[in-house]
Amino acid sequence: DQQVKQNSPSLSVQEGRISILNCDYTNSMFDYFLWYKKYPAEGPTFLISISSIKDKNEDGRFTVFLNKSAKHLSLHIVPSQPGDSAVYFCAASGNFGNEKLTFGTGTRLTIIP
Amino acid sequence: NAGVTQTPKFRILKIGQSMTLQCTQDMNHNYMYWYRQDPGMGLKLIYYSVGAGITDKGEVPNGYNVSRSTTEDFPLRLELAAPSQTSVYFCASSSPGTQYFGPGTRLLVL
Repeated sequence: DQQVKQNSPSLSVQEGRISILNCDYTNSMFDYFLWYKKYPAEGPTFLISISSIKDKNEDGRFTVFLNKSAKHLSLHIVPSQPGDSAVYFCAASGNFGNEKLTFGTGTRLTIIP
Repeated sequence: NAGVTQTPKFRILKIGQSMTLQCTQDMNHNYMYWYRQDPGMGLKLIYYSVGAGITDKGEVPNGYNVSRSTTEDFPLRLELAAPSQTSVYFCASSSPGTQYFGPGTRLLVL
């Protein structure tokens, strides 16, 4: 039972345009969501997070939107840069991040110069 | 600041061999985790620990064992390696709200 789903295995975006990565979840107990970025042969690195008490969180070029009623979140990257090419994992947790994480299967983002 | 370190980086095992994957963190985190990532899949939790002396099973614990004798170290033991354990293994530690990952150990069981 996949509680966190990333339905797009891959995404290609032109440099300078907006990248939108999507994530859906099924467990109503999740109240904290994170995005991780992973380069080949490296461990995932934390990118940005959002608590269920908010619907938007921004950090530079990265913005995460949370739609609780739809159980959907998205990561927007604007403008997209070649260094953004990586696999992006969505993760969810309960108890506002104090419980173990459940990960999605990842979306491979390729930025086309 | 080293963060989370893992050794070895890569290992080839024969079926039935055993080995220990090492993980050390220097951030004084109580929570530590072991994940495996298979090609095209997300990270699956194997075992986790909420502090020294306390461990618990995750989603895919079969074939693995862990121990947590100190805050810093969280080794993962494979007793009888099987081809199904071919994967990339990541260790992580966490402070509230985020997890910090090591660089991973790539394991091939032939």
